[in-house]
Amino acid sequence: TQLLEQSPQFLSIQEGENLTVYCNSSSVFSSLQWYRQEPGEGPVLLVTVVTGGEVKKLKRLTFQFGDARKDSSLHITAAQPGDTGLYLCAGVYNQGGKLIFGQGTELSVKP
Amino acid sequence: ETGVTQSPTHLIKTRGQQVTLRCSSQSGHNTVSWYQQALGQGPQFIFQYYREEENGRGNFPPRFSGLQFPNYSSELNVNALELDDSALYLCASSSRRGATGELFFGEGSRLTVL
Repeated sequence: TQLLEQSPQFLSIQEGENLTVYCNSSSVFSSLQWYRQEPGEGPVLLVTVVTGGEVKKLKRLTFQFGDARKDSSLHITAAQPGDTGLYLCAGVYNQGGKLIFGQGTELSVKP
Repeated sequence: ETGVTQSPTHLIKTRGQQVTLRCSSQSGHNTVSWYQQALGQGPQFIFQYYREEENGRGNFPPRFSGLQFPNYSSELNVNALELDDSALYLCASSSRRGATGELFFGEGSRLTVL
């Protein structure tokens, strides 16, 4: 069974602070995706990382895929209230078309 | 380009009833996946349809069934509803079979079972 553990589950910080969200698994995934979900909406893809050790940047967000392709992290620099939402990592498991999602990290950024 | 649309957005059922949820895929997409998201949890894969054929199924009982139509829209049917079926049901479409392509999610159908 493939499982993705996300930590922390909840994070409440002040505007301007930095934060890191972790996504860990005992399984090797072919790639890993990060999504952001706002209340009443479906998840929206932020990034896909494919190669072990890969680092991708999206403005103030930095995503890293572990060398062994079992873990990933999302780092946000100088968080803003607009970053508030549920952040989900999802491992791509090619057999049968499914994504394995972590349980999510609920981020609240207070002004 | 029309995005993924789901209906209904909210519904309330009682235990033992049956429900059908509908999803229109994004234009040009031939693959639809369904996910169940319980409150405070990440989405869980139910099944995927590619060109009207099931292409993989998650760990859900047979009372969860699906269908994809020639226009690639899809339905999720759940029979004999249980209280634990209360969740947000998400549909996602993509242009590629499997999970390697970008998934575009709809806003979901919020099901409450009483």
